[in-house]
Amino acid sequence: ETGVTQTPRHLVMGMTNKKSLKCEQHLGHNAMYWYKQSAKKPLELMFVYSLEERVENNSVPSRFSPECPNSSHLFLHLHTLQPEDSALYLCASSQGREGYQPQHFGDGTRLSIL
Amino acid sequence: AQKITQTQPGMFVQEKEAVTLDCTYDTSDQSYGLFWYKQPSSGEMIFLIYQGSYDEQNATEGRYSLNFQKARKSANLVISASQLGDSAMYFCAMRAPYNTDKLIFGTGTRLQVFP
Repeated sequence: ETGVTQTPRHLVMGMTNKKSLKCEQHLGHNAMYWYKQSAKKPLELMFVYSLEERVENNSVPSRFSPECPNSSHLFLHLHTLQPEDSALYLCASSQGREGYQPQHFGDGTRLSIL
Repeated sequence: AQKITQTQPGMFVQEKEAVTLDCTYDTSDQSYGLFWYKQPSSGEMIFLIYQGSYDEQNATEGRYSLNFQKARKSANLVISASQLGDSAMYFCAMRAPYNTDKLIFGTGTRLQVFP
């Protein structure tokens, strides 16, 4: 496998459910990111991990909880979400955090909250 | 404030023709990076091309080139010899200052290539 893999591709959940999104990168990168993409809005950075440590949290509600057990895996734990949380959630990775390093994205998880 | 503006919500181009997608940016930083990504309907964001603020030459990657005009703060993407598979959303993004983790994205341009 190559690139960044996200599972599941689609997720429908109720507001009281607990679920997790998974991201795995096979690029040997050491930084990973979660983004939210809502309709007609620019991508929003949610979390950044560098060398498995969280380095940025852009005022994301606590109902989103990230976990980075190692440099290849990133999770986003979800609980008691709201309808406005329905969106495409994209994971990305990069080799370092230097300015010229592009971020490589997965296919995303399309999340729908009932 | 850091901002990316893409003023073309949609563009049409005929196969084999060239097309330019506009991007203007706003930053007070002297050192920054500019990126273009392609997002097909499948959802994946595909990195296309990068331009650093101190790069003197315009970046090129195959059929993609970046028309970088620093004084005008524009970083337009030029796709030559369009193909049907180029139909997708295209996003311009900026990293400013240069060493920040945060990529600031524009709202995107939907490109449709017709035969």
